[in-house]
Amino acid sequence: SVLTQPPSASGTPGQRVTISCSGSSDILLSSYVYWYQQFPGAAPKLLIYANDQRPSGVPDRFSGAKSGTSASLDISGLRAEDEATYYCATWDASWGGRGVFGGGTKLTVL
Amino acid sequence: EVQLLESGGGFVQPGGSLRLSCSTSGFTFSNYAMTWVRQAPGQGLEWVSSFSGDGGRTFYADSVQGRFIISRDTSKATLYLQMNSLGAGDTAVYFCAKGRSWESSMRFESWGQGTQVTVSP
Repeated sequence: SVLTQPPSASGTPGQRVTISCSGSSDILLSSYVYWYQQFPGAAPKLLIYANDQRPSGVPDRFSGAKSGTSASLDISGLRAEDEATYYCATWDASWGGRGVFGGGTKLTVL
Repeated sequence: EVQLLESGGGFVQPGGSLRLSCSTSGFTFSNYAMTWVRQAPGQGLEWVSSFSGDGGRTFYADSVQGRFIISRDTSKATLYLQMNSLGAGDTAVYFCAKGRSWESSMRFESWGQGTQVTVSP
């Protein structure tokens, strides 16, 4: 995948968890990163846009960052209801334009 | 309130065709980019195709280029995905998603509930 995420992550309630998203070549250098949360059987939900911005209604426990060709999603004060799959995404303006998702990270709250 | 409702999914034989629809309401459809995203069983999200809000540009994933056609009817506020030469690899739940502006991006704050497409003999 053009965007690489660890397949799994875990943490205990109250902990801080970081999910990484690494871009191949320079795909993330000049593109925004977005993060989505998805529960089984449901549509994805936007958590972070433009690298580090939260839509209204998203708790500030969720934060995003980007540096060079990598990005990360931090979840602080982990809660049981955060157990879900998280995807990073970006729009690749090269090659005529295309959307790209990372492979997803399944977060388990122990 | 923004609403997106997909329809048109179902069972189709390999090599067959299917047209998905995404009926929308709650916003000025012609002003926004729209996108199809799919998810195969037990797999991650895959971007499929986008239609820019200015109507000028369409974009396709390599996996569907030449087989799928994205289009829209602004009078009906509906997005379509014509899927041809379907194969087992196209089996997935197909979501439509609304962009933030006319420009295609991966920022989707509104999604439909998805429609299942199953390609099987």
